[in-house]
Amino acid sequence: NAGVTQTPKFRVLKTGQSMTLLCAQDMNHEYMYWYRQDPGMGLRLIHYSVGEGTTAKGEVPDGYNVSRLKKQNFLLGLESAAPSQTSVYFCASRNRDGYTFGSGTRLTVV
Amino acid sequence: KNEVEQSPQNLTAQEGEFITINCSYSVGISALHWLQQHPGGGIVSLFMLSSGKKKHGRLIATINIQEKHSSLHITASHPRDSAVYICAVIIPYGGSQGNLIFGKGTKLSVKP
Repeated sequence: NAGVTQTPKFRVLKTGQSMTLLCAQDMNHEYMYWYRQDPGMGLRLIHYSVGEGTTAKGEVPDGYNVSRLKKQNFLLGLESAAPSQTSVYFCASRNRDGYTFGSGTRLTVV
Repeated sequence: KNEVEQSPQNLTAQEGEFITINCSYSVGISALHWLQQHPGGGIVSLFMLSSGKKKHGRLIATINIQEKHSSLHITASHPRDSAVYICAVIIPYGGSQGNLIFGKGTKLSVKP
C-alpha cells in the first residue's frame, strides 16, 4: 500500500529559485494538506484542499502556492525560495478514519 | 497560549519501563490523533480516538473529553520505541475543514 507519497525527499535550493513538491495519494481521500515542521514548533498548516479543483490557505501560506488539478495529487510550489522556507514539509490526506502522512521532504534554501 | 500542550517534553526511560505521555487541549475537538515520528523519519498515525480507550500491541491511548485530556501509554518499553510522539487534535468546525492542531511533541529515549 503506497498511501501518501512525497517527492522529492531532499532538495537544496538557492535563494530565488523555484520548485514544486508533489504529494500523491492512492486512497481516494478528498482532503489533502501541506504542513511544515520547524524545530521547537509543532507542525503548521500551509495550504489545504477539500477536493479536486479546490484549495485554501492555512496558517502560514505566504510564499507558497498550491494546486489540486487531480484528486490524487496535491502540489506545493515555491515561486521564489527564501532561507526562511528551509524546513521539513509533510503532506497528509484524510478520510473519516483519520489522517495519513507522507514521509516528508527536507528542503534547504541557501 | 498553546491550544495543545504535551508533557513531558523529553523523557528518558530504561528498557521495560511503563511510559506515559500526556496531552491536554483547550479547544473543542471531534477526535485526537497520537502520532509517532522517528528521527529523520516520516509521521505515522498510531491512534485516532474520540472517546474511551484504544489498544494496539504495547500501546494504549485514552481520552477524557470532559477533562480535555489524553494519555499515551507504552508498556514494556523497548529501544525501538525511541521517537517523538505527537498529540494532534481535530477541530470539527471552521474554514480548515477538520484541520489538525499539533502539540510540540514528546521526545522519548529508551535505553537498553
